[in-house]
Amino acid sequence: AIQLTQSPSSLSASVGDRITITCRASQGINSALAWYQQRPGKAPKLLIYDASSLESGVPSRFSGSGSGADFTLTISSLQPEDFATYYCQQFNSDPYSFGQGTKLEIK
Amino acid sequence: QVQLVESGGGLVKPGGSLRLSCGGSGFSFSDYYMTWIRQAPGKGLEWISYIGNSGTNIYYADSVKGRFTISRDNAKNSLYLQMNSLRVEDTAVYYCARDPSPYGDYGWFDTWGQGTLVTVSS
Repeated sequence: AIQLTQSPSSLSASVGDRITITCRASQGINSALAWYQQRPGKAPKLLIYDASSLESGVPSRFSGSGSGADFTLTISSLQPEDFATYYCQQFNSDPYSFGQGTKLEIK
Repeated sequence: QVQLVESGGGLVKPGGSLRLSCGGSGFSFSDYYMTWIRQAPGKGLEWISYIGNSGTNIYYADSVKGRFTISRDNAKNSLYLQMNSLRVEDTAVYYCARDPSPYGDYGWFDTWGQGTLVTVSS
């Protein structure tokens, strides 16, 4: 099974900051990666699929990049509503798997 | 609008059984692969099972294989998860989610339900 490791596990930042979260796969997964945002008590929300494609309705300050085993999620200018937990997910091979999550907190 | 609503969660003793349901609306339910994903309290997301649009393509995570059964009734726009031999470590919020590819399997999930809590405790 493919394991995904996110870094950092937690991150403190301020409104307006640019931040990057990394997701590393235990083996190459081409571009078969998605990113989700989860606010407390809510279901996850799809942000990015195919490593870099922005889901409809998601603000353009979110972007994804990478292929193979190393991927990044970037938020260009943090807004108050962006403070949440972020998960990557691989769909290159069964069983699908998620990273352990990155909690983004207000500094 | 596209919506998924789970039900059936609750408190069950170790070794017991529970059946979760997920109703879909606002889309042609029978065209889409569906998935169950769970989240233990304070923990991350764990993908556990998917089922193809016609019900013939099924996959389980090792953690639930042999104990959980996924199924669907397209006439009722419903997805199910029969959970047997439940363990304390199965305690989690269970989400159903939709794969956005009609008739296929993109592998990511564009629509999620609100989740239903399953607590396994004596």
